[in-house]
Amino acid sequence: GAGVSQSPSNKVTEKGKDVELRCDPISGHTALYWYRQSLGQGLEFLIYFQGNSAPDKSGLPSDRFSAERTGGSVSTLTIQRTQQEDSAVYLCASSLAPGGGTDTQYFGPGTRLTVL
Amino acid sequence: AQRVTQPEKLLSVFKGAPVELKCNYSYSGSPELFWYVQYSRQRLQLLLRHISRESIKGFTADLNKGETSFHLKKPFAQEEDSAMYYCALSEVKGGSYIPTFGRGTSLIVHP
Repeated sequence: GAGVSQSPSNKVTEKGKDVELRCDPISGHTALYWYRQSLGQGLEFLIYFQGNSAPDKSGLPSDRFSAERTGGSVSTLTIQRTQQEDSAVYLCASSLAPGGGTDTQYFGPGTRLTVL
Repeated sequence: AQRVTQPEKLLSVFKGAPVELKCNYSYSGSPELFWYVQYSRQRLQLLLRHISRESIKGFTADLNKGETSFHLKKPFAQEEDSAMYYCALSEVKGGSYIPTFGRGTSLIVHP
């Protein structure tokens, strides 16, 4: 079956513009995660969805970042008024159920965001 | 707060040599620990997790609670092992899943 997909694969935008990143999880996966991967910074956890609900949004770097998930499937990560420090690869992952050692996350290919 | 430390950004070895990628964690509860791997131009994927006590592609990792470590080891490295390796810890708290990844170690295996 299809894995996690993300679009666009690459996005170049100008500082101050808004961008929307999309994630299509594996069908049937109830949990969905967003991460940011910056050079030399590893993976930074942003937000997690269980169904359409995000129990903890504290990982979002600022109030310019928001995310939603509808129908328990597709999720969008929106960054408003982008800044150069937002440049990174944004990864999405999904899993059957949240948390614990019984759960495996499956990652998408990522969206490379470049803010000029 | 939980934290995962991978002290080496880069580890370079020759084919056939043993390899150990270090991971230390700080966490007050019982940790769930994982190793993820990202090969060149491929997606990040799970390599192994401590509760499975499995060996994948010749790699093993043992949880040492006394030293709060979860080092990844392989006795004889192969060129195809060259990749970025991330140690991760997950904690389920109040119904929320909070994962923490280390900064990663780039492993290069020379022929």
